[in-house]
Amino acid sequence: GENVEQHPSTLSVQEGDSAVIKCTYSDSASNYFPWYKQELGKRPQLIIDIRSNVGEKKDQRIAVTLNKTAKHFSLHITETQPEDSAVYFCAASSNSGYALNFGKGTSLLVTP
Amino acid sequence: SAVISQKPSRDICQRGTSLTIQCQVDSQVTMMFWYRQQPGQSLTLIATANQGSEATYESGFVIDKFPISRPNLTFSTLTVSNMSPEDSSIYLCSVDVAGDTEAFFGQGTRLTVV
Repeated sequence: GENVEQHPSTLSVQEGDSAVIKCTYSDSASNYFPWYKQELGKRPQLIIDIRSNVGEKKDQRIAVTLNKTAKHFSLHITETQPEDSAVYFCAASSNSGYALNFGKGTSLLVTP
Repeated sequence: SAVISQKPSRDICQRGTSLTIQCQVDSQVTMMFWYRQQPGQSLTLIATANQGSEATYESGFVIDKFPISRPNLTFSTLTVSNMSPEDSSIYLCSVDVAGDTEAFFGQGTRLTVV
């Protein structure tokens, strides 16, 4: 089955700096890669996703890049703000019903 | 998009008892998924539920412990049976909507077994 590795497990940045979280996956059939943000006590919320036919996608301060050959994808957050502090999860799916395999999560702390 | 109502939102249960969690969606969906999130951990898929057929369980999860019902295209239940403190987790249902790439999550059920 699919195995998703996520690094780092914790990340602390100064407000205004950039944050990068990286994930690798094992199943070459995976073709859908979402990123979720989970604040304490809340459900995961999709922040950005990418499909395998695209190498990069951007939405304001958030971008995701995908390298299918190397089987890795990354989340980039620019101009970080304290409200970006949360746990971020990457996931991968082979599109067969959208069952997701999640990485272990990255706890991001943005300090003022 | 989809709006998912999951209940109960939280419960404290005695060991050895069972709890049934309900997941109601505001539109018809083909597949519903049940995840477990242990304290401070990631989400792990328990099973996939299709309407009209038996749920498909992931490795490490069995039907006797986590029976699932899917009586129609908008509703599913997950039962956590014969609970032990190790079952203390957040349980989340999720759906995919045809034509939409996003997987939507319910608000979760925070279960504490004492």
